[in-house]
Amino acid sequence: RKEVEQDPGPFNVPEGATVAFNCTYSNSASQSFFWYRQDCRKEPKLLMSVYSSGNEDGRFTAQLNRASQYISLLIRDSKLSDSATYLCVVNKGGSYIPTFGRGTSLIVHP
Amino acid sequence: GAVVSQHPSRVICKSGTSVKIECRSLDFQATTMFWYRQFPKQSLMLMATSNEGSKATYEQGVEKDKFLINHASLTLSTLTVTSAHPEDSSFYICSAPGFGEGNTIYFGEGSWLTVV
Repeated sequence: RKEVEQDPGPFNVPEGATVAFNCTYSNSASQSFFWYRQDCRKEPKLLMSVYSSGNEDGRFTAQLNRASQYISLLIRDSKLSDSATYLCVVNKGGSYIPTFGRGTSLIVHP
Repeated sequence: GAVVSQHPSRVICKSGTSVKIECRSLDFQATTMFWYRQFPKQSLMLMATSNEGSKATYEQGVEKDKFLINHASLTLSTLTVTSAHPEDSSFYICSAPGFGEGNTIYFGEGSWLTVV
């Protein structure tokens, strides 16, 4: 089993749609969780950290389920500019070395 | 503005030559930096952890004699791809962990290497 697994997609949705991504991780000792956004041929940029209580930032909501070892990202009212690859990042169990999922591709169309 | 600067952003080299990529932390000291490689439509794969003043820690399967890492100062880590081959063509990216900010990771802009 890979350390961090994501459905690669692509998720192809119309503008205004709500879309959700899941990410599972294998190391139960992992402590830090993030969602990053990566545009084509660019470096990843932090979208949001994921906290145990769940957190929201505008149209984006992140959830953590430690029991099932997965995190989720919900995007409401999708915009064309949301089209990108969303990377799930989990720290390497017990340390701060980040491990990346393969990324989930989102395409928002008019 | 960028907190980690990576250079060059693009480089083309001939097979058999060596290429050096620099990663600098701006306005903060980074005792640790991470080097990743990303092939098209693949995830970022950790190659090695660069440690200031000591040897880098390489991930399994990464040839340390081929990918030389030097972290000579608290603001600079370099990755040298030696005797490059076309299969080394990839996107190389460095990062440094932030402190006091929930372990935020700062990325360099990445370097596209093409070996011809």
